[in-house]
Amino acid sequence: EPEVTQTPSHQVTQMGQEVILRCVPISNHLYFYWYRQILGQKVEFLVSFYNNEISEKSEIFDDQFSVERPDGSNFTLKIRSTKLEDSAMYFCASALWRSTDTQYFGPGTRLTVL
Amino acid sequence: DQQVKQNSPSLSVQEGRISILNCDYTNSMFDYFLWYKKYPAEGPTFLISISSIKDKNEDGRFTVFLNKSAKHLSLHIVPSQPGDSAVYFCAASAPSKTSYDKVIFGPGTSLSVIP
Repeated sequence: EPEVTQTPSHQVTQMGQEVILRCVPISNHLYFYWYRQILGQKVEFLVSFYNNEISEKSEIFDDQFSVERPDGSNFTLKIRSTKLEDSAMYFCASALWRSTDTQYFGPGTRLTVL
Repeated sequence: DQQVKQNSPSLSVQEGRISILNCDYTNSMFDYFLWYKKYPAEGPTFLISISSIKDKNEDGRFTVFLNKSAKHLSLHIVPSQPGDSAVYFCAASAPSKTSYDKVIFGPGTSLSVIP
């Protein structure tokens, strides 16, 4: 069964450094998403992406964040200058159709900012 | 800003019995509700959803009930199985200018089904 993959599974970085989290969505999917979950808190929507542009973003997704689909398979989330509070699990999701119940989630990347 | 609340952080149920997970919401604009299941080290997996025009949706052992006037929904699992042990997230979305992209998650309820 096709699945969403994410790399790395765990990323440790120093505050102020840039990180890029990578996702490979399911191959025929057209809609892409990033969510995050701070430890002990709820899963939060960050951004959705379609047709090479952001379709919706949350208040969390400020200028420090950017997303890109650099080639036909990868979908990346970049945090330009990490802060301690960026430490969280970051989940990528993809969907064939634009409805919430068809979003398939990856296993997540645990980001630790020191 | 807790628009979706799950007031029970954990729940233990005997195998074969019914599990009832509850969820409350505050935003009256929500019109689509979902339940996700999450195992450790995995991403959330969609389980079942319900539109606000319905009050019940059933899929095998899983049934979701929606009470719009009370802004409350619940997930029933009958019969509960040990493999159901996971964290269950209630989630909701509202129509936006684009679509239902933004999903608001609750904090989750950890279900343990005891053999």
